[in-house]
Amino acid sequence: NAGVTQTPKFQVLKTGQSMTLQCAQDMNHNSMYWYRQDPGMGLRLIYYSASEGTTDKGEVPNGYNVSRLNKREFSLRLESAAPSQTSVYFCASSARVLNTGELFFGEGSRLTVL
Amino acid sequence: DAKTTQPTSMDCAEGRAANLPCNHSTISGNEYVYWYRQIHSQGPQYIIHGLKNNETNEMASLIITEDRKSSTLILPHATLRDTAVYYCIVKHEKLTFGTGTRLTIIP
Repeated sequence: NAGVTQTPKFQVLKTGQSMTLQCAQDMNHNSMYWYRQDPGMGLRLIYYSASEGTTDKGEVPNGYNVSRLNKREFSLRLESAAPSQTSVYFCASSARVLNTGELFFGEGSRLTVL
Repeated sequence: DAKTTQPTSMDCAEGRAANLPCNHSTISGNEYVYWYRQIHSQGPQYIIHGLKNNETNEMASLIITEDRKSSTLILPHATLRDTAVYYCIVKHEKLTFGTGTRLTIIP
């Protein structure tokens, strides 16, 4: 049972390049989330998806787009990467939405934008 | 949105109980208190959650005050592997983890 799987684990981009972070969960969870964590900081919510076919902005959505491809997969896209987007990105899933249900996190994707 | 306040860092001797406080004075009546921890740079790990009553599981105990404005996470017998950043969050619409408490277990 893999839980939440993120790919890639590491990525280096040049300013202006685009890329997509992939996330998949095998726990049949309804809700999925993308967070970013900057050095020495807590996690900030970028986008979330309460259920298949829906997405909503979190605290720091600018510069990102998301797609809930199906119940298992939730991708995060950077259309034109900027150095300020250098961070560790975590995907999480939950059986229920928002106010209840614990979050299960992936191992993180470490992105550096030069 | 309910916000939480936690001490920046704490130390605890190995084998002793670690008590981590959290203030959430603006919590709403239907909001749960959740605790997670993050070891090194791994993804956060769920520990425990509660609404009104005290809760206990195999990892920890959660004590919530009667007015629900604060809570304490208790690790009853801390080990070196409990060294981590501990996050107290109140589940609301925009799930945000603050900077948490960096707990260091001292041998």
